[in-house]
Amino acid sequence: GAVVSQHPSRVICKSGTSVKIECRSLDFQATTMFWYRQFPKQSLMLMATSNEGSKATYEQGVEKDKFLINHASLTLSTLTVTSAHPEDSSFYICSAPGGGLNSPLHFGNGTRLTVT
Amino acid sequence: AQKVTQAQTEISVVEKEDVTLDCVYETRDTTYYLFWYKQPPSGELVFLIRRNSFDEQNEISGRYSWNFQKSTSSFNFTITASQVVDSAVYFCALRSSGAGSYQLTFGKGTKLSVIP
Repeated sequence: GAVVSQHPSRVICKSGTSVKIECRSLDFQATTMFWYRQFPKQSLMLMATSNEGSKATYEQGVEKDKFLINHASLTLSTLTVTSAHPEDSSFYICSAPGGGLNSPLHFGNGTRLTVT
Repeated sequence: AQKVTQAQTEISVVEKEDVTLDCVYETRDTTYYLFWYKQPPSGELVFLIRRNSFDEQNEISGRYSWNFQKSTSSFNFTITASQVVDSAVYFCALRSSGAGSYQLTFGKGTKLSVIP
């Protein structure tokens, strides 16, 4: 079945540094990918929709200059958290649709970001 | 606007008990898709089932069963003879076809703890 690979699974960084998270569709092409954020014991909140060949679409309240998204190819989307602060610590998870509108989203294993 | 409500925040059951997780959704679209995902402590999201709005047949897969009722806008999930490995957070999600978007709207999740 469709597999989405997300890397790294865990990252600890110092405040003020930037962190890049990669999301790859391994056996299918994904013109669209979704980036979600999940706080402890909470649901998944959509941050942005990554579109291959065009700008990402950000949800209301998400700072596009802080969360840079690049969809470089049909199999790779990256999320860069710039100038990270402790409040950016969270679980970030990407996903991609594996087919038509009736197909499930396939999720990466997530990245746990801790900013110290 | 779309909305998914999972009223049960946390449920604890003793192993071998049956448990039902509730999901109520709201959408103005006549064509939509409902999903259940499992998120074990490791964090990854595991797809369990998809149901189309025009298919009200209930489904059984091993110890799992789903009851879809359009009249009450509910898509409940029952685990029969629960096991410790069922302990996880379960998310119900909705995708409407109206906007032609693949993104999912998630409920807040129900944390299931199965006690041995």
